[in-house]
Amino acid sequence: QVQLQQWGAGLLKPSETLSLTCAVSGGSLTGYYWSWIRQPPGKGLEWIGGINHDGYTNYNPSFTTQVTISIDTSKTQFFLNLTSVTAADTAMYYCGRGRRIAARPGHFDDCGQGTLVIVSS
Amino acid sequence: IQMTQSPSSVSASIGERVTITCRASQGINIWLAWYQQKPGKAPKLLIYGASNLQSGVPSRFSGSGAGTDFTLTISSLQPEDVATYFCQQANSFPITFGQGTRLEIK
Repeated sequence: QVQLQQWGAGLLKPSETLSLTCAVSGGSLTGYYWSWIRQPPGKGLEWIGGINHDGYTNYNPSFTTQVTISIDTSKTQFFLNLTSVTAADTAMYYCGRGRRIAARPGHFDDCGQGTLVIVSS
Repeated sequence: IQMTQSPSSVSASIGERVTITCRASQGINIWLAWYQQKPGKAPKLLIYGASNLQSGVPSRFSGSGAGTDFTLTISSLQPEDVATYFCQQANSFPITFGQGTRLEIK
């Protein structure tokens, strides 16, 4: 049974960089699509971007200037960096395992527990 | 691709049939997923490929539709189904979600 365990700093000041790690246990990174999703308080879900095991990334155009997603297959971990955060980046951040279907992005069959990130001066 | 769910909230009685709809702004074939999210928890996959039930999900949940119009149905509402439900288009990047439907017990 795969498990996704995530962590990172929960309180940031404006202009700082958000950095989160998602560790995958009980399964391989190969053959899946690894994504970051966020949810502002009381709001809906927003896909930030994702990465294949070989490092190929896709980003939501809303985040392209801010975001970098990377992967370390030797540690079975993947990472989110979001630069120059503002209060609008306050949200619960989830990592997720995706099942791609051919070239389509597919659905998420497993998620981490979530990390609440608050941006405040 | 914009995903629009309706209603935004629904209240139903135990045992009642509940239907939530999701409309895509362009055709997505059958590439739609449904998730259930309970307060303080991560989203949980219910349905993928518009109508495929994820392993372990109760059979009272079902999905249908293709193209632009999709439906999630709960055949007999149970107390543990109180949650917010989201649809997600799985057809093309960027991945997008509906705004959510909050389900409550009447």
